[in-house]
Amino acid sequence: GAVVSQHPSRVICKSGTSVKIECRSLDFQATTMFWYRQFPKQSLMLMATSNEGSKATYEQGVEKDKFLINHASLTLSTLTVTSAHPEDSSFYICSASSGLGDGYTFGSGTRLTVV
Amino acid sequence: QKEVEQDPGPLSVPEGAIVSLNCTYSNSAFQYFMWYRQYSRKGPELLMYTYSSGNKEDGRFTAQVDKSSKYISLFIRDSQPSDSATYLCAMSLNTGNQFYFGTGTSLTVIP
Repeated sequence: GAVVSQHPSRVICKSGTSVKIECRSLDFQATTMFWYRQFPKQSLMLMATSNEGSKATYEQGVEKDKFLINHASLTLSTLTVTSAHPEDSSFYICSASSGLGDGYTFGSGTRLTVV
Repeated sequence: QKEVEQDPGPLSVPEGAIVSLNCTYSNSAFQYFMWYRQYSRKGPELLMYTYSSGNKEDGRFTAQVDKSSKYISLFIRDSQPSDSATYLCAMSLNTGNQFYFGTGTSLTVIP
């Protein structure tokens, strides 16, 4: 079955530094990948949609210069949180779709803590 | 074997029907079980959040967890066209930790 690997699962960083989160589709080509953010016991908030080889589409209110998304290949998308602040501390989750109608496959999430 | 299995559907029902959505899982250590609803081009919204076994009801929605069978269900009573969406199950070992999602079931409620 389709598997999405998200790395790292946990990261602690200092304020002002940047953090990169990777999302890889292991056994399928992901034409579209999605990045979400979640606060405890709340819904997943869609941050952006990325399509391989083109610029990501950001949802309203999401700073594209702060949350850099690169979908450089059909199996890899990265989210870089630049100049991280404590308020960026959250749970980030990616999902991917092959576009063949077999649903979404989610990564297991990254817990980011900015100190 | 995937951690969480969910039939992607699509599932099509007439308005007013009772809908049953299900997921099975392999890790008996899962403690938290969630159901999300996702409309097209939106992020999934949390519908139900349950801890351990048992039932939880919220309006027309009922979530059931059977840990002995590693099986969870979401029932929608008196289904409405506005319920047409993709429904995702998710589970985790501890709150706020790694999530394991099903692939989602696409539901269409026909007026």
